[in-house]
Amino acid sequence: DAGVTQSPTHLIKTRGQQVTLRCSPKSGHDTVSWYQQALGQGPQFIFQYYEEEERQRGNFPDRFSGHQFPNYSSELNVNALLLGDSALYLCASSLALLGGTQYFGPGTRLLVL
Amino acid sequence: QQQVKQSPQSLIVQKGGISIINCAYENTAFDYFPWYQQFPGKGPALLIAIRPDVSEKKEGRFTISFNKSAKQFSLHIMDSQPGDSATYFCAASRNTGNQFYFGTGTSLTVIP
Repeated sequence: DAGVTQSPTHLIKTRGQQVTLRCSPKSGHDTVSWYQQALGQGPQFIFQYYEEEERQRGNFPDRFSGHQFPNYSSELNVNALLLGDSALYLCASSLALLGGTQYFGPGTRLLVL
Repeated sequence: QQQVKQSPQSLIVQKGGISIINCAYENTAFDYFPWYQQFPGKGPALLIAIRPDVSEKKEGRFTISFNKSAKQFSLHIMDSQPGDSATYFCAASRNTGNQFYFGTGTSLTVIP
């Protein structure tokens, strides 16, 4: 049973560019949450998608946007990258109906130069 | 504002000893408290979780103690092993599916 997968594993961008990160949830899961983890910090909630809609959003600017596809996979888009966007971006999946807990993927390490 | 406060920031324990990590929260609406273990370069892995209707939950060498009145919970790792060396995060949420509020993490080193 495949767990949560994310791509790419690492990414280097320059300030002002745009980036798209991808996530495939654990088999059977229908909800995807995205978190940003700065070095030495705990993960910070960005937003959550369920039934292709953004259901919850944390304290992140509109430069951060997302999408969920009919197969429950998800994308995180960040526009106008800043140096401070350098972090590990984590995707977590869960099953909404059973109130299942969240399982995390390995993350995408983004470095903005 | 940090919704969940975690201490200590780092911890060094001898092999076979007990590791204790503490967390405190303010929001009484929180009703789900998981602990995650994270190794360098990896995503957080769920270790154990508790709901406020019980005061303790044990799974193998890992135990969560929960004090609802004090709004505190802690992770105890019994018989700590070098392989337990990792960063541990506590978290809290209003039910399991909503956003998690994470603590700042505790770096645990178990010395052989």
